[in-house]
Formats: sequence, C-alpha cells, structure tokens
Amino acid sequence: DAGITQSPRHKVTETGTPVTLRCHQTENHRYMYWYRQDPGHGLRLIHYSYGVKDTDKGEVSDGYSVSRSKTEDFLLTLESATSSQTSVYFCAISDYSYEQYFGPGTRLTVT
Amino acid sequence: EDQVTQSPEALRLQEGESSSLNCSYTVSGLRGLFWYRQDPGKGPEFLFTLYSAGEEKEKERLKATLTKKESFLHITAPKPEDSATYLCAVQAGNTGKLIFGQGTTLQVKP
Repeated sequence: DAGITQSPRHKVTETGTPVTLRCHQTENHRYMYWYRQDPGHGLRLIHYSYGVKDTDKGEVSDGYSVSRSKTEDFLLTLESATSSQTSVYFCAISDYSYEQYFGPGTRLTVT
Repeated sequence: EDQVTQSPEALRLQEGESSSLNCSYTVSGLRGLFWYRQDPGKGPEFLFTLYSAGEEKEKERLKATLTKKESFLHITAPKPEDSATYLCAVQAGNTGKLIFGQGTTLQVKP
C-alpha cells in the first residue's frame, strides 16, 4: 500500500467553523490531490498540487483552499464550513506516471 | 466537455457468471484511462492504466481493454470477494487531473 495517511479520519463540526484536513505521504511523490465523494456525483477534484507551493484549482474548488509547504504534506482548509461540504474527502498522490494512489478518506459532517 | 459514463450502475452476478463493465468517454486528447476498485468505507484502489486503443491489461479474474471511445472491464468467473464498486477515470493533458465516472457497483452472490 502506498504510504498515505489522512487526519482526522472522522470529524463533526458546526456550520461556520474553519476545518483543516491533512494528507501525509511517505512516497516522495510530486503530485497530490484532494477529492470529495458524494452519492450521485462520484469523485470530484477539489484542488491539486504539482510541487511544493504549486497548487491549482479543480472542478469544485469554491469554499476550499489548500497549502503545500513540504513535499509530504498537503492541507485542505474549509474557511467557513457549510452543510453542503458534508462529504467524504480523499487525498491521492501520483508520480510522473499519473497513476493516483488514494488515502483512506476523511468523513466530514457539518451540522 | 470531457465526460466519463459508466454502465450499468449496478450489476448482480452469480459466482462464476462472467460479465463486462463499460466505461464510455469523450475527452480531447486521451493521455490515459484508469480503472479502480473501491470497497465500502475505503479509498479507491488502483487496478490498471491503459494508454492506447487496442491495449489490454490483466490481473487475476479481471481484464481491461480500450478502444477509441470506450473501455471494458471483463470479469471472468467472479467470486464473492470481487464485490465492490469499480471506477473508471480518464486523464487529459499533462496535469494528472482525472475525470471519474460514477462507478459500477458489482455484487457477486455465492
């Protein structure tokens, strides 16, 4: 298994509070991605990173920001959580082959 | 617009009953087509990458094929442990960004 961990694995938070999810890899892969998975929508890309401090938006980036200060860590921040951001969040990593390997996911509930 | 459509949405098979899952795609400049398996409560697990029409890849009871418009995941003599959701994704361009289909949920009954 690719060395990818996500924390926390489960979180319940209130509307309007900030939330940060962490993805940590031990594979030294250049590319890192954040997805959300919802019934009826499948996996959708939120943001991705192609190097330290290099990030770009994905399909559903509104309301989310990311940061990557080290190769191994990619943070996803919800500045002010809303109920529509209740979802399962997956981090993925890839090298130049672009084969993405996924973490175990974070289940986020916004009440 | 780049798009990936998987069919059927759900498939029930008896153990040993072979079948195929379909992934149709429209993308400008396909760089790769990926198949993943996802078990409930877990992250997707990488299975195959196909790069060009005519290419085939095999792993145990699974075989993936690719044409210019679609990919098939053939499951030969499935077992209950093959039950999962199978996801297809395409990559266009050099960013590594993938576009996923909504998946096919396979149930194999003993």
